[in-house]
Amino acid sequence: DAGVIQSPRHEVTEMGQEVTLRCKPISGHDYLFWYRQTMMRGLELLIYFNNNVPIDDSGMPEDRFSAKMPNASFSTLKIQPSEPRDSAVYFCASSLRRTSGGVDNEQFFGPGTRLTVL
Amino acid sequence: ILNVEQSPQSLHVQEGDSTNFTCSFPSSNFYALHWYRWETAKSPEALFVMTLNGDEKKKGRISATLNTKEGYSYLYIKGSQPEDSATYLCASSNTGNQFYFGTGTSLTVIP
Repeated sequence: DAGVIQSPRHEVTEMGQEVTLRCKPISGHDYLFWYRQTMMRGLELLIYFNNNVPIDDSGMPEDRFSAKMPNASFSTLKIQPSEPRDSAVYFCASSLRRTSGGVDNEQFFGPGTRLTVL
Repeated sequence: ILNVEQSPQSLHVQEGDSTNFTCSFPSSNFYALHWYRWETAKSPEALFVMTLNGDEKKKGRISATLNTKEGYSYLYIKGSQPEDSATYLCASSNTGNQFYFGTGTSLTVIP
């Protein structure tokens, strides 16, 4: 498996423009997570999905942010309109469901998308 | 909201020295504690997952312990090597499968 795939790897846009980040999780994984990494706040969980259904979006900073997972192999994170303070690295991660024995499954991270909003 | 705290924020050690970091987390609704290794310009990679109080995990020169009653985990690196230089992240997950990451400990091993 190629691992978690994210695109684009780098995005430079102007304030006010719409930005769409894409993620393809590892095949067979039930959970998909979107994170944002900044120098000030470290790695923040934005939203996560289980079986394509959003479970917790309390980390989404504002209504300008939205995420979808139309099927098990694709998710998008959209920012509209974008602002300079949205500049960060956005990571997508996926994991299997927890096992019946209670073992927590590790998350596999994609390479990230570095977003710069001018 | 869980507050996961890591200390120290950064650390410089000489090659061959042993070192350790701390991760503290709230005990309520705790499910598992994860350690990740994050090299610059790469993605975080999982090192350990621990769930039970007293758990100890080891991978080569790196080991970790877990105390769920007092809410902390230690990561140890024995005989640090330059290739160990990275940011070490811990994350606590709760019964709702939510993950909360600390801000990491940045380790630099000086040859």
